[in-house]
Amino acid sequence: GAVVSQHPSRVICKSGTSVKIECRSLDFQATTMFWYRQFPKQSLMLMATSNEGSKATYEQGVEKDKFLINHASLTLSTLTVTSAHPEDSSFYICSARALQGNSYEQYFGPGTRLTVT
Amino acid sequence: AQSVTQLDSHVSVSEGTPVLLRCNYSSSYSPSLFWYVQHPNKGLQLLLKYTSAATLVKGINGFEAEFKKSETSFHLTKPSAHMSDAAEYFCVVRANTGGFKTIFGAGTRLFVKA
Repeated sequence: GAVVSQHPSRVICKSGTSVKIECRSLDFQATTMFWYRQFPKQSLMLMATSNEGSKATYEQGVEKDKFLINHASLTLSTLTVTSAHPEDSSFYICSARALQGNSYEQYFGPGTRLTVT
Repeated sequence: AQSVTQLDSHVSVSEGTPVLLRCNYSSSYSPSLFWYVQHPNKGLQLLLKYTSAATLVKGINGFEAEFKKSETSFHLTKPSAHMSDAAEYFCVVRANTGGFKTIFGAGTRLFVKA
């Protein structure tokens, strides 16, 4: 099956710094990737849809200048949390859309735990 | 518009007894429906999915779910709970037309008692 990886799996950074999270589709090309955020004991919230070669589409309430998304190739999307603050601490999960036969399927990465101190 | 409601935030069962996790959905389009499981500090694992074929869907680890259009439900069941089933379960709806937007339910935490 299709595999999506994320790096790093865990990251701790200081308040005010920026941190980049990578999402890779390992054995397929993904024109579309999605970034989710999950607060403790809560569900996943879609932050943005990332399309290769074009600007990401952000969900309402998500600051595009704070959460920079770059989908520079068909196998890599990055999420950069700029000027991180403790309230940005969360579990970030990416997923990639892959064509399987005649339909699209969505595959999720293992997630990245961000802690801002 | 789409939405998904998981009717129970917590479910507690004894090992060896049946599991029922309830999910209702709303979708303007013919939806695809999924159940995912998430163990603590882990990513999501797909249990099963419904994509307009058979209404009774069998998944991994003995789980199954039945799509009932008249009731707009997609409840997850398992005949006999195992300790390793203790986790968070998410019901997910995705429209088959439009922008491929996936909506997650709030989640149901399953506790399994020995």
